[in-house]
Amino acid sequence: GAVVSQHPSWVICKSGTSVKIECRSLDFQATTMFWYRQFPKQSLMLMATSNEGSKATYEQGVEKDKFLINHASLTLSTLTVTSAHPEDSSFYICSATPGGRNQPQHFGDGTRLSIL
Amino acid sequence: QQPVQSPQAVILREGEDAVINCSSSKALYSVHWYRQKHGEAPVFLMILLKGGEQKGHEKISASFNEKKQQSSLYLTASQLSYSGTYFCGTAQSDSGYSTLTFGKGTMLLVSP
Repeated sequence: GAVVSQHPSWVICKSGTSVKIECRSLDFQATTMFWYRQFPKQSLMLMATSNEGSKATYEQGVEKDKFLINHASLTLSTLTVTSAHPEDSSFYICSATPGGRNQPQHFGDGTRLSIL
Repeated sequence: QQPVQSPQAVILREGEDAVINCSSSKALYSVHWYRQKHGEAPVFLMILLKGGEQKGHEKISASFNEKKQQSSLYLTASQLSYSGTYFCGTAQSDSGYSTLTFGKGTMLLVSP
């Protein structure tokens, strides 16, 4: 149980393109999903917390107009990197939690984004 | 406040034991442990809640000392499959939707 699917797994695109990444909880409802960015051999840096039906909460230093987050249903959150540039290249990972005090975050497989 | 993990890296031979520590300067409600293999997503290992509990299964266990704001992950009789980077994530709130702050990770390599 507790499977989170993330798609696509790898994206290579030209500078200036917008890229959408989907995160789905397959077997549970996730009121809250999280988006992380991870550079090689570094920690998971929280970008934003996505709440179903409301605006996402962005961490300090994360441009909300650059990284658009939509959480339209209890099983789907999307991250759109708008007008991507080479410095946006990274490994993006989502996680979802069923909620509750004893519940972990379950991670998707991540999306490797390469901007040329 | 990012928790501090130690050591940064560990190299073991199969069958040896290891301890990975995670400490915070702030009061914690819970500590979450994950293992990530190269190029993959983190995999959940266990959660420890405020109360100083110790939990685990067979050869991987963990403890949480809330007074010291520290948690330790114990790997006994390590197997090759234990190789990866271990992250602790700390929560300062008892909200079911609280965010986690992850440490920088401890890289573990188990060799035959």
